[in-house]
Amino acid sequence: EDKVVQSPLSLVVHEGDTVTLNCSYEVTNFRSLLWYKQEKKAPTFLFMLTSSGIEKKSGRLSSILDKKELFSILNITATQTGDSAIYLCAVEATGGFKTIFGAGTRLFVKA
Amino acid sequence: NAGVTQTPKFQVLKTGQSMTLQCAQDMNHEYMSWYRQDPGMGLRLIHYSVGAGITDQGEVPNGYNVSRSTTEDFPLRLLSAAPSQTSVYFCASSRTGYEQYFGPGTRLTVT
Repeated sequence: EDKVVQSPLSLVVHEGDTVTLNCSYEVTNFRSLLWYKQEKKAPTFLFMLTSSGIEKKSGRLSSILDKKELFSILNITATQTGDSAIYLCAVEATGGFKTIFGAGTRLFVKA
Repeated sequence: NAGVTQTPKFQVLKTGQSMTLQCAQDMNHEYMSWYRQDPGMGLRLIHYSVGAGITDQGEVPNGYNVSRSTTEDFPLRLLSAAPSQTSVYFCASSRTGYEQYFGPGTRLTVT
């Protein structure tokens, strides 16, 4: 059965800390891995990763994929209170438009 | 562009009632999908569509129907509501089949 597992499920840090969120997956016919940020309502897209070892970066956020070990990490440096959100990892498989989401990591950044 | 819109925002149903959740997008995206989000379980795919007239089941399709008569609209029908269908429902669309744009969600309570 295809599955995506995120850890930790929740995390509390102080402003300025660096955090690493983990996503491991078991999916038949892997196509891509995506990270989303969900604040109060709808998830919004952060990154899409398809190749191992290539870091994607956007400001203080970065992500990398390891297709051999079947995991990805999302790093956030110099965290701010505005980073408080649920971070969702999703994997897409070939052979259709089926996306499998992990349960998410709830991050809370204290001022 | 309005992006992805969903109506209603909130709905309370009694067990056994039926209703339709509306979803529309104005980005001319071919791919659309419906998810439900329950606490601690991330997003689970209900149904998806890869174009007008083409739909398929996702992970949790039982109790729900969809149709896609136009590119813009992708309604989700609850046939006979049950308390287990209490959830937040998100509609999403995608141009590429990779990154998805989510609507604001519908919070449904079935009593």
